[in-house]
Amino acid sequence: DIQMTQSPSTLSASVGDRVTITCRASQSISSWLAWYQQKPGKAPKLLIYKASSLESGVPSRFSGSGSGTEFTLTISSLQPDDFATYYCQQYNSYPITFGQGTRLEIK
Amino acid sequence: EVQLVESGGGLVQPGRSLRLSCTASGFTFGDYAMSWVRQAPGKGLEWVGFIRSKAYGGTTEYAASVKGRFTISRDDSKSIAYLQMNSLKTEDTAVYYCTRQNYGSGSSDYWGQGTLVTVSS
Repeated sequence: DIQMTQSPSTLSASVGDRVTITCRASQSISSWLAWYQQKPGKAPKLLIYKASSLESGVPSRFSGSGSGTEFTLTISSLQPDDFATYYCQQYNSYPITFGQGTRLEIK
Repeated sequence: EVQLVESGGGLVQPGRSLRLSCTASGFTFGDYAMSWVRQAPGKGLEWVGFIRSKAYGGTTEYAASVKGRFTISRDDSKSIAYLQMNSLKTEDTAVYYCTRQNYGSGSSDYWGQGTLVTVSS
């Protein structure tokens, strides 16, 4: 199975900050990576697919990059609505696997 | 508007069975693969399994933790995906989400609101 490791596990930041979350795969997954945002008590929401493609309706302050084994999710200027937990997911091969999550909290 | 609504969750004893349903609307259900993802209380996301559309054989894939106990099926005439869960264990306690799998992007572009399954004696 492909292991997905996110860092950091928790990130404290302020409104207006630029933040980056990293996701590493235990083997190459090409660009078959997605990023999801989840708020407490809600279903996850797709932000980025194929490593760098922005899902329709997602604000342009979100961006993704990377290929192979190292990927990043960047939020260019944090907004109050962005404080949530973020998950990466690989879908290069079965079983599909998720990172353990990064909780983005208000500093 | 795309909607996915899960139902069938509840409290069940270890070793018993439960069937979850995911009723879809707002898109041509038969054209899409469907997945199930679960989240134990306070934990991260865990992929459960996946069923392809009939055009791709309608075949299934499962996580090792549920293979042989869980079965995913679909009824395209009713726009419903099912998750049959047998021999339930306490560690299967989770919110279960169904998702629409977008063949173009490969990712889960729509999620239901989830249904809670609690396995306890």
